[in-house]
Amino acid sequence: QVQLVESGGGVVQPGRSLRLSCAASGFTFNTYAIHWVRQAPGKGLEWVAVISYDGSNKYYADSVKGRFTISRDNSKSTLSLQMNSLRTDDTAVYYCARTGGGYSYGDYWGQGTLVTVSS
Amino acid sequence: EIVLTQSPGTLSLSPGERATLSCRASQSVNNNYLAWYQQRPGQAPRLLIYGASSRATGIPDRFSGSGSGTDFTLTISRLESEDFAVYYCQLYGSSPTWTFGQGTKVEIK
Repeated sequence: QVQLVESGGGVVQPGRSLRLSCAASGFTFNTYAIHWVRQAPGKGLEWVAVISYDGSNKYYADSVKGRFTISRDNSKSTLSLQMNSLRTDDTAVYYCARTGGGYSYGDYWGQGTLVTVSS
Repeated sequence: EIVLTQSPGTLSLSPGERATLSCRASQSVNNNYLAWYQQRPGQAPRLLIYGASSRATGIPDRFSGSGSGTDFTLTISRLESEDFAVYYCQLYGSSPTWTFGQGTKVEIK
């Protein structure tokens, strides 16, 4: 069955960096675009970034552009999100989500990993 | 950039009642590329509806989606206890990015 498992969350000080990972299984990873979506405590869903199936195209929300980098290793079925210059408003649960095909809806989601940015 | 506005913010209903949730787009949605998700407390979002009206795999038929253009609706025909949750609409497909509505909470009256 399709599984997405995020890891790498934790508590980090403002201005520091953190790297999240999303391990995929149960499907042909290198044929699907994958998104990162975050949710601040008590708030709604906010789209963060997407990477194409082959890693050649990447898109970011304005709120993270220039600070976050999405990447993937298709040989290891792993997605990453490198987060630099973290701010307190980056505090959220971060989810990875598989698209249903092309750049479509999110048909499978991981359970999320919590990132807390605090001094 | 298209903005999605969901209403109401909170819907207070009893089990067995019908729930009608609205999602309005600031511009017409291409090809009805509109999805609905359910999020229970402490859980990840779950896809319910895509293409405005197609049910995702394993979703009960009490969930239905309708609409086109700028106005979309998610209907839950008879609420069951596990349906009390937050629901989000989402725009996809016209660009690689996603846009979410702010959510509607369906709570027990």
